[in-house]
Amino acid sequence: NAGVTQTPKFQVLKTGQSMTLQCAQDMNHEYMSWYRQDPGMGLRLIHYSVGAGITDQGEVPNGYNVSRSTTEDFPLRLLSAAPSQTSVYFCASSYSRGRGYTFGSGTRLTVV
Amino acid sequence: AQRVTQPEKLLSVFKGAPVELKCNYSYSGSPELFWYVQYSRQRLQLLLRHISRESIKGFTADLNKGETSFHLKKPFAQEEDSAMYYCALNPSQGGSEKLVFGKGTKLTVNP
Repeated sequence: NAGVTQTPKFQVLKTGQSMTLQCAQDMNHEYMSWYRQDPGMGLRLIHYSVGAGITDQGEVPNGYNVSRSTTEDFPLRLLSAAPSQTSVYFCASSYSRGRGYTFGSGTRLTVV
Repeated sequence: AQRVTQPEKLLSVFKGAPVELKCNYSYSGSPELFWYVQYSRQRLQLLLRHISRESIKGFTADLNKGETSFHLKKPFAQEEDSAMYYCALNPSQGGSEKLVFGKGTKLTVNP
């Protein structure tokens, strides 16, 4: 099992550009989430999904879109990058309630 | 609203000393609580779940519903325990794994 795989690991964007952060898991997990990690702020939930075709907003969804067409993939789209979106992004998946999440290795995004 | 508070941003202890990382939560129902650890520049890893009442790497954590706390403890800290520790809460209502994280405590174990 590869677990949770995120690509790319690093990315630099110019303000206004769009891009997609990829996340894939091979554990057949129903639950998937995207978090951003900022110094002094901990992890904040952007969007999450409880299964293919079902997504919902988290704490900080503005500027981001998600879709879940398959159980395995949960891409995060930045529509028009802003410097405030400079962060480390983590994708995570879980089998069920109470099991805890498995995290990807993260994508370090810089918007200039 | 659910909230997780980790009052210490930084915690420094000497090797062999006991360590306690504090976590308090705010939630009206019965939450599920977790501790995650993040070693330098690595991904977050699940350390403990309160429902399993296990001990991982010598760490334990007990849920105290009266004090709404879930403190992480280890009797003898090791240098390899130096890391960022996050407490997280999963509300019992709803069907999702919508974890709420604290802001984290950076633990440094000095030789």
